[in-house]
Amino acid sequence: GENVEQHPSTLSVQEGDSAVIKCTYSDSASNYFPWYKQELGKRPQLIIDIRSNVGEKKDQRIAVTLNKTAKHFSLHITETQPEDSAVYFCAGRNYGQNFVFGPGTRLSVLP
Amino acid sequence: SQTIHQWPATLVQPVGSPLSLECTVEGTSNPNLYWYRQAAGRGLQLLFYSIGIDQISSEVPQNLSASRPQDRQFILSSKKLLLSDSGFYLCAWSAMDFGGYTFGSGTRLTVV
Repeated sequence: GENVEQHPSTLSVQEGDSAVIKCTYSDSASNYFPWYKQELGKRPQLIIDIRSNVGEKKDQRIAVTLNKTAKHFSLHITETQPEDSAVYFCAGRNYGQNFVFGPGTRLSVLP
Repeated sequence: SQTIHQWPATLVQPVGSPLSLECTVEGTSNPNLYWYRQAAGRGLQLLFYSIGIDQISSEVPQNLSASRPQDRQFILSSKKLLLSDSGFYLCAWSAMDFGGYTFGSGTRLTVV
C-alpha cells in the first residue's frame, strides 16, 4: 500500500521568508496529492492540490510541485506571514483508494 | 453547496461510559464518509470509512464502532470508553473516488 513521508516535522522561518515542505510517496499509481492546513484546535482545510498530469500549481503565495519520477511533491509558501503558522499535512491517493496522510509539519512563522 | 455537520464540539465523558458522535453531510448524495482520530499534537489516524449505507470498513481494531444508517449520516460509537479514546475526532467526506476530503469541525473528546 501507499506510504507517505513528510519532512521536516517542524519548521521555523522569519516572516517574509519562504517555507518548503516535502513529501515522498511509495505507490507510483497515486495520482492526486492535496495539502491541508490545520490551525490549532481547528479542522484540517484543503489549501491546494495537484494531480499527476500536472507538474506545478500556484495559488497566490502557495505553490505545489510534483516530481512523478522521484515520487515526491512539495509545498512552497512565499512571503510567509504569522497567519501561515499551522500544521501542514500532505496526502496521496490512487483512484478508488483512501488517502494516506503524511505525519505533518508544524510551521512557525516568527515575527 | 455541500456542507458537513459534526457534533458535539466538545465532550467530557467518564471511563466506561458510552459514546455517540454524529456527522451529517448536506448537498450531495452517496458520499464516501470517514472517521479520523487525532491525538494531541499528532497526525490523522483513519478509524472507519464507508462507501455506502451499511458498508463500513474498520482500519484499526479498537473498542469503537461506526454505523451509517442513512446515506449522509455517519455515527461513531463506543459501549465503554477508555482513557486512550481521548482525542480530536474528525468526520470527513469526499465525492466518491476523486477529489479531496472535507472535514467536519471536529469533536474534542476527553475521557476522565
